[in-house]
Parts: sequence; structure tokens; C-alpha cells
Amino acid sequence: GEDVEQSLFLSVREGDSSVINCTYTDSSSTYLYWYKQEPGAGLQLLTYIFSNMDMKQDQRLTVLLNKKDKHLSLRIADTQTGDSAIYFCAESGGSGTYKYIFGTGTRLKVLA
Amino acid sequence: KAGVTQTPRYLIKTRGQQVTLSCSPISGHRSVSWYQQTPGQGLQFLFEYFSETQRNKGNFPGRFSGRQFSNSRSEMNVSTLELGDSALYLCASSTGTGLYGYTFGSGTRLTVV
Repeated sequence: GEDVEQSLFLSVREGDSSVINCTYTDSSSTYLYWYKQEPGAGLQLLTYIFSNMDMKQDQRLTVLLNKKDKHLSLRIADTQTGDSAIYFCAESGGSGTYKYIFGTGTRLKVLA
Repeated sequence: KAGVTQTPRYLIKTRGQQVTLSCSPISGHRSVSWYQQTPGQGLQFLFEYFSETQRNKGNFPGRFSGRQFSNSRSEMNVSTLELGDSALYLCASSTGTGLYGYTFGSGTRLTVV
């Protein structure tokens, strides 16, 4: 069945780069997403990538997609304390399903 | 423009009661989805509505139901509440397919005692 996995925790020093990884199983996924959740808040869309792309860059964020290995990563350059949050990857569940399959979330802690 | 608005923000109910949660999507958005977030199960899809029609439903018991009104506002209802229904319920809206991302509300925190 559909499954999306992430490591649970990541700790980095302020100013370093953070890399959050995600693997998914549904080969029909056409769109993949990264969301950020801060304490007491909903999910904020950070970026998305289409399955026909290998890489997408958006300011400090770089998304890499390896379709062969079904592996997605999010790199945050120059990580700041305000980046501390839970990061979720999600796949679109296949075109026409109108739902997301979310990963377990990675808690990023940025140390000053 | 205003974001996705969910009311109430917090709710405490007793086992066996029923509850209705409300979601007002971003103006112009016609698709509304609902998700349940718990520490144990993570984020799980409940259902999605577009133009008052349910297009997809997750694997939840029939106690969980929803509806969408002609102004795109949506409600979800949980009947005969169980302790395990305690969760953050998130609503999200998009213009149509959601393929370019959904905008989420801040959620309703439901506690069942």
C-alpha cells in the first residue's frame, strides 16, 4: 500500500545546512510536497515538485527527487532558529484521489 | 486575503457525545479536505469535498461524516465520541485538485474525556 517514511529527529547548528529525507512507495505519485508545522499551528506549504523534475530550488530551500529510489529530500541552507519545526513530506496519492499521504514528520531542532 | 478558518479552536467533549467542527475555506477555493492528526497515527485523510460532493473518503468508521455547503464552507461531524477520537482536526482548501498544494487551517483540538 501507500507509505511515506521519514526519520523522526534532526538536530543542526544555526547557520549549517539541514537535510531532511523521505522515502515513498507509490510509484504513481505525480506530485510531492514539503510542509512545515510549528507548535500549535496548522501545516504550511513550503514547496512541491512534480515527478518529472529532479530538482527544484526556492530561495533557501532545495528539493531533490530520485524517482528510481523513490527518495525525496529537502535541504535548508543557512538554517535559522526560526526553522525549528516539524517537517512533513507528502505525496499526492495518485492523480484523481484528491488526498495526501503524509510521512511521519521530522522534528528539526536548530541549536544557537 | 483571509486564510482557512476553523472553529472552534479547542473543544472538550464527553465519551458518547457528538461534535461538529466547522471550516471556512479561502475565498474562491472549492475543494475542502479534512485530516486527523494524532501522535500515534500521524496525519490521516478523512474526506475531501468539491462543490458539495464528496470525492474521496479515508478509512474511518461511519461515525465520521462531513458535508460541504454551497458557499464551500464545510463541517465534519463525529458521533458517539470515543477517547481515541482525541486529536487535532485539520481542514485544508484548494482551488480544485490540490495538486499545487493545499492551504491548511490552524485546526480544532478535540479532547474526549
